[in-house]
Amino acid sequence: AQSVTQPDIHITVSEGASLELRCNYSYGATPYLFWYVQSPGQGLQLLLKYFSGDTLVQGIKGFEAEFKRSQSSFNLRKPSVHWSDAAEYFCAVGAGNQFYFGTGTSLTVIP
Amino acid sequence: NAGVTQTPKFRILKIGQSMTLQCAQDMNHNYMYWYRQDPGMGLKLIYYSVGAGITDKGEVPNGYNVSRSTTEDFPLRLELAAPSQTSVYFCASSYGGHGGYEQYFGPGTRLTVT
Repeated sequence: AQSVTQPDIHITVSEGASLELRCNYSYGATPYLFWYVQSPGQGLQLLLKYFSGDTLVQGIKGFEAEFKRSQSSFNLRKPSVHWSDAAEYFCAVGAGNQFYFGTGTSLTVIP
Repeated sequence: NAGVTQTPKFRILKIGQSMTLQCAQDMNHNYMYWYRQDPGMGLKLIYYSVGAGITDKGEVPNGYNVSRSTTEDFPLRLELAAPSQTSVYFCASSYGGHGGYEQYFGPGTRLTVT
């Protein structure tokens, strides 16, 4: 069965520091992988996606993610976090006609 | 384009009442989805539709019904509301399915059942 695990429920980083959010998935075939961001009271917005090809994908707002098949991971990174990045981040895998979301990682940014 | 719109934004229901959550999209997307989001649980798929007249169950369909009479609209019906249905509901749409297409999300409906 498909599943997505985000091991970190909550992360706090200082503004300007680097960030890495972890995501592991379970899926039998080559997955379609996504990272979404949700600001308080808002819907989800796509940050980036991986379908095939280059395993390092670039997204909006300076985010990137790397697909590692051997580790079944799709971690999200940003070299320098801004206060406006504080939000909830969701990793998702697309399989069949459905999406499967992780439980999310809440990011707090301190000045 | 308005994208995906949802109404109402907030609603309080009494146990046993019924209501319909409205969702519409103006992107001519074939696929539409309903999710519920509970704290610490991520998003769970309730129902989805691959086109007008075609719907299918997701992971947590019990207590809900859907219909898809047009490409644009995908209402979610709650019959006999229960406290367990207190949640934030998101509607989404995508151009295609097979997990390979970006989903566009509405702003959500926060529902409380007391």
